[in-house]
Amino acid sequence: AQTVTQSQPEMSVQEAETVTLSCTYDTSESDYYLFWYKQPPSRQMILVIRQEAYKQQNATENRFSVNFQKAAKSFSLKISDSQLGDAAMYFCAYRFIQGAQKLVFGQGTRLTINP
Amino acid sequence: DGGITQSPKYLFRKEGQNVTLSCEQNLNHDAMYWYRQDPGQGLRLIYYSQIVNDFQKGDIAEGYSVSREKKESFPLTVTSAQKNPTAFYLCASSTLQGSPLHFGNGTRLTVT
Repeated sequence: AQTVTQSQPEMSVQEAETVTLSCTYDTSESDYYLFWYKQPPSRQMILVIRQEAYKQQNATENRFSVNFQKAAKSFSLKISDSQLGDAAMYFCAYRFIQGAQKLVFGQGTRLTINP
Repeated sequence: DGGITQSPKYLFRKEGQNVTLSCEQNLNHDAMYWYRQDPGQGLRLIYYSQIVNDFQKGDIAEGYSVSREKKESFPLTVTSAQKNPTAFYLCASSTLQGSPLHFGNGTRLTVT
């Protein structure tokens, strides 16, 4: 079964600094999707960034970028110029490309931004 | 505006009672999902449905039931057989082309 592991339960960063959240996954598939979701205190799940496994280029969305290492099954999220509004739980997720295309989540990393 | 509506936001029930959580979407998405979130934990899949009148068990389906009579609706019933029903429940939907899941705002269920 596919699993997603986030090894950092909590992280903190100074405002305006850069922070990297780690994620590894286990799969025997060659094609799939990876996502980072943000869950602020409101508990709304917000998509941060998406990566297709067949694309070698790392996805970027404004201050958010990923380091996708397919062979190592690693998918880290880098947040540049951290802002107070970035404080949230961050979840890494793997989505099957075949069948029901379920989304499997990691345990999450709680990110604190220090002013 | 298109989106997913979960109701109610907070729900309180006595132990032994069944309770149904509502999930409606107007995004014309084929697939719908129910996830459970416990404090400090990730999301675990309860049930999912790809088409009307069809659904499959997820990782923690015991004590739950669903129906998919309409494309727009995917209600979740938490039965008295669920041992620890107090949790935050999230409904989601998506197309079947690998697009991201869109989530509702969730329902916080408390059973005492």
